[in-house]
Amino acid sequence: GQQVMQIPQYQHVQEGEDFTTYCNSSTTLSNIQWYKQRPGGHPVFLIQLVKSGEVKKQKRLTFQFGEAKKNSSLHITATQTTDVGTYFCAGPGNSGGSNYKLTFGKGTLLTVNP
Amino acid sequence: DVKVTQSSRYLVKRTGEKVFLECVQDMDHENMFWYRQDPGLGLRLIYFSYDVKMKEKGDIPEGYSVSREKKERFSLILESASTNQTSMYLCASSSPGTPNYGYTFGSGTRLTVV
Repeated sequence: GQQVMQIPQYQHVQEGEDFTTYCNSSTTLSNIQWYKQRPGGHPVFLIQLVKSGEVKKQKRLTFQFGEAKKNSSLHITATQTTDVGTYFCAGPGNSGGSNYKLTFGKGTLLTVNP
Repeated sequence: DVKVTQSSRYLVKRTGEKVFLECVQDMDHENMFWYRQDPGLGLRLIYFSYDVKMKEKGDIPEGYSVSREKKERFSLILESASTNQTSMYLCASSSPGTPNYGYTFGSGTRLTVV
């Protein structure tokens, strides 16, 4: 079945440093989504990328979708303590009724030292 | 504010009990999902439903069943709870009709089976 792999599993940074997490799929994706889960919270949808090579920005967060639509990245510039949490990527199934079923990566836990 | 509401935040049950986890969404979403989240294993799909009375198995359906009698409600049933079902259970909903149909998650139910 489809696999979504995410690296690194953990990342600890000093406040103000940059952070990047990478996501790779075993199959071509129609789109990719990113979620953030704060400690003790639930995943919250951040963004969806659809087009090959697409780049989207949300303030200090930059999301990229690879040209082959099999990989993606999330980059945070100048991290803040509010960025702490686990970042997940997720891709949909690609057959019939399971198109809306997402397969999640295992996430990258970001901790920030103030 | 749109919501996915899970009936209990914390639940403690005994081995062998039948357990019902309830999820209600007020967004008129077609799709609803049940995931469990465990450290190191990420989010794993148990069951999902893309219409009333419709259900499909996810990646780990063994020991679980679901019910969707009304569009807004999706119930997860543990037929005979076991200790290896101790976990965080997350319900989510989505709608394919929206441009960025990310999942909206509930706050989760932390189930402990003793």
